[in-house]
Amino acid sequence: NAGVTQTPKFRVLKTGQSMTLLCAQDMNHEYMYWYRQDPGMGLRLIHYSVGEGTTAKGEVPDGYNVSRLKKQNFLLGLESAAPSQTSVYFCASSYPRGGLDTEAFFGQGTRLTVV
Amino acid sequence: AQTVTQSQPEMSVQEAETVTLSCTYDTSENNYYLFWYKQPPSRQMILVIRQEAYKQQNATENRFSVNFQKAAKSFSLKISDSQLGDTAMYFCAFTKTSNTGKLIFGQGTTLQVKP
Repeated sequence: NAGVTQTPKFRVLKTGQSMTLLCAQDMNHEYMYWYRQDPGMGLRLIHYSVGEGTTAKGEVPDGYNVSRLKKQNFLLGLESAAPSQTSVYFCASSYPRGGLDTEAFFGQGTRLTVV
Repeated sequence: AQTVTQSQPEMSVQEAETVTLSCTYDTSENNYYLFWYKQPPSRQMILVIRQEAYKQQNATENRFSVNFQKAAKSFSLKISDSQLGDTAMYFCAFTKTSNTGKLIFGQGTTLQVKP
């Protein structure tokens, strides 16, 4: 199993450009998440989805949009990139239920630099 | 709102010795999960250990164990017989039981294991 796969792994954008980060999971998980990681701040939740066709805002949603058209994919969009969006982005998925398998699985991260 | 605090930005330990990483959290929930994640230089988020709040027994995973003090809202990680491969950033994280991927992370502690 590939688990959670993020595309691309690295990207450099100019201010004002747009891009989409793709997250794909092959574990049939219902829930998916986008986090950003900044130095000294840990990971913070941007948006999440509890099922196909649903999305919800997390802690830091401004400047981002998401879509979950298929259960296995969760897209994160930046319509007009800003230097403040320079960060490492992580996608995760989970299938919340009681028991020992309750955990989130993370992708390998995408390092985005906005210049 | 829940918060997670890691007050040690950096720590170091000699190989084969024991080190303890601290984490405190704040919540009004009674049922929740706490996690320690490891992030090596590869950037991959790796689950180290998990603790369910309703379990009084501290979780252990080989050389990793936790000291969970629910009343004090403290959740420290002890690494015994430290190895060079333990060098990484460690994150403490909290989640409600209803959505285990919607995590609140601490700021992280960078651990260096010295030969």
